[in-house]
Amino acid sequence: KNEVEQSPQNLTAQEGEFITINCSYSVGISALHWLQQHPGGGIVSLFMLSSGKKKHGRLIATINIQEKHSSLHITASHPRDSAVYICAVIPTGNQFYFGTGTSLTVIP
Amino acid sequence: DTEVTQTPKHLVMGMTNKKSLKCEQHMGHRAMYWYKQKAKKPPELMFVYSYEKLSINESVPSRFSPECPNSSLLNLHLHALQPEDSALYLCASSRPGGAQFFGPGTRLTVL
Repeated sequence: KNEVEQSPQNLTAQEGEFITINCSYSVGISALHWLQQHPGGGIVSLFMLSSGKKKHGRLIATINIQEKHSSLHITASHPRDSAVYICAVIPTGNQFYFGTGTSLTVIP
Repeated sequence: DTEVTQTPKHLVMGMTNKKSLKCEQHMGHRAMYWYKQKAKKPPELMFVYSYEKLSINESVPSRFSPECPNSSLLNLHLHALQPEDSALYLCASSRPGGAQFFGPGTRLTVL
């Protein structure tokens, strides 16, 4: 069983739609990351959260520590948002546990 | 400088070759990581260096040999690889417990 579960695995949206990607984890954590990876590309860290909510441009990330759940929201989605979004948690120390990723395609 | 650089971007090697992947950062991060990523899968942790000492080795075959010569550099030496080792190799760095900054990766093909 994976310690980090993401849903959905694949998501197709029309440009302008509001998008939500969910992440649930089963271990105690010190922080949770949302990462973005474009096809064939490196990984960009979008957010690091340990509580509450963070916003950057059209992206919003929330975390509920008690429920062991986090969401990534994209408002007014755009084709350039098409990428794989990965949730990763840090139980202790430096090690990441990665989710399986959500592949997002935004159609013009 | 908030960048992690990796060289080469692409590498094709035969099963008898010896090659090295290089990773560099100048953010003062004292934790550095090697990951292996197969297509459509999340990255798999291979090694973690903390303050230039190997702190995690995720049961990686000995044909992969990491080296951290100083706080800015991380190498991955490759020898006698198998075709199934073909993957994207990602380097990352962080402050302890902090956000990881990833490099662009080296796309490795083993023939």
